[in-house]
Amino acid sequence: NAGVMQNPRHLVRRRGQEARLRCSPMKGHSHVYWYRQLPEEGLKFMVYLQKENIIDESGMPKERFSAEFPKEGPSILRIQQVVRGDSAAYFCASSPDAAGGTNEKLFFGSGTQLSVL
Amino acid sequence: RKEVEQDPGPFNVPEGATVAFNCTYSNSASQSFFWYRQDCRKEPKLLMSVYSSGNEDGRFTAQLNRASQYISLLIRDSKLSDSATYLCVFLPGGGSYIPTFGRGTSLIVHP
Repeated sequence: NAGVMQNPRHLVRRRGQEARLRCSPMKGHSHVYWYRQLPEEGLKFMVYLQKENIIDESGMPKERFSAEFPKEGPSILRIQQVVRGDSAAYFCASSPDAAGGTNEKLFFGSGTQLSVL
Repeated sequence: RKEVEQDPGPFNVPEGATVAFNCTYSNSASQSFFWYRQDCRKEPKLLMSVYSSGNEDGRFTAQLNRASQYISLLIRDSKLSDSATYLCVFLPGGGSYIPTFGRGTSLIVHP
């Protein structure tokens, strides 16, 4: 049973370009969470999605950032017009139930390290 | 008061030592608590859940103190391989089911 798959592992972008980060949850998991981790900082929640629905995007910047989790295919975190401050590790996690459910543990992907030049 | 607070450390201990970390949370409605481990900027991995009555898994013991609003992690007989960052995680409750992470406590176990 493959774990949570994220790609690419490393992504280099110049300022103003777009970054697209992909996350395929574990088989049977329908809940996806995106977190951002800056150097020497903790994980900061960005967005929580279920298939075709954004449940909570309270941690995501209002501009330039968007996320989706289509019926088919991986979840995508999209950052438009990247700036140097977007450089960070972006982790995706999945769970079979919503957090607070009977099986709420999160399983993380290896992350995407975004570097903005 | 921050939602969750952890001493970032680092805690520098010799092999075989016993070390304990605390993590305080501000929301008394919080229901679920966990400890995760993160190695060298890799992905966090679940170490153990924290139950109200306290729970043990080998050399690791987790406890919850609701009155004082903190959880703790005790590691006995530290191994070099225990060197990592330990993250406390909780669900805020009150209708929010977003797992919230502490900043992490760095542990360095030396020979």
